[in-house]
Amino acid sequence: EAGVAQSPRYKIIEKRQSVAFWCNPISGHATLYWYQQILGQGPKLLIQFQNNGVVDDSQLPKDRFSAERLKGVDSTLKIQPAKLEDSAVYLCASSRFSGRMPDTQYFGPGTRLTVL
Amino acid sequence: GNSVTQMEGPVTLSEEAFLTINCTYTATGYPSLFWYVQYPGEGLQLLLKATKADDKGSNKGFEATYRKETTSFHLEKGSVQVSDSAVYFCALSGSGGGGFKTIFGAGTRLFVKA
Repeated sequence: EAGVAQSPRYKIIEKRQSVAFWCNPISGHATLYWYQQILGQGPKLLIQFQNNGVVDDSQLPKDRFSAERLKGVDSTLKIQPAKLEDSAVYLCASSRFSGRMPDTQYFGPGTRLTVL
Repeated sequence: GNSVTQMEGPVTLSEEAFLTINCTYTATGYPSLFWYVQYPGEGLQLLLKATKADDKGSNKGFEATYRKETTSFHLEKGSVQVSDSAVYFCALSGSGGGGFKTIFGAGTRLFVKA
């Protein structure tokens, strides 16, 4: 089966500009995650969708970050305006949803964002 | 809240050496525990997992046992290869907020020398 697709792979912007990332999960996976991975750290969950509803966005900086998952399939994550500290790799992951226990997450290749 | 602590790297070993990467956690309830691996230039992928106490996850010669009494999930391999050079992440996933929330450790970079 095809894996999680993300685009673009790399993005360089100046601070205060806006940027958007796209993710297409594995077909049939109900749960979609966006993570931020700063160099030298583990991934930090930004937002988690169950179909097209938000399950957890407690660590999403809502003053500048937004995400949507229309029709419960692909998703976009937007940053507006970007700050220097947003430089990181943005990872998208998806999983099935059994409801009874956590499922294995499948990760995309990530988008490396550099904010100058 | 829940948290994961894993040993700092980098860890440098010679080929065929024994590997241990320590991981401890704090959590309420009964989380599932995971090890993910990130090879150079690739995305994260699941290495192994355990869903309840005393379970042992294993894959590609790697093993980890879910120890509730010591709140640990240490990763071990008896004989490492150069191809095992990667960053290893310990993670836990527990219930909360209507779903399961995953928390990752900071990662441990492993270098294996020929």
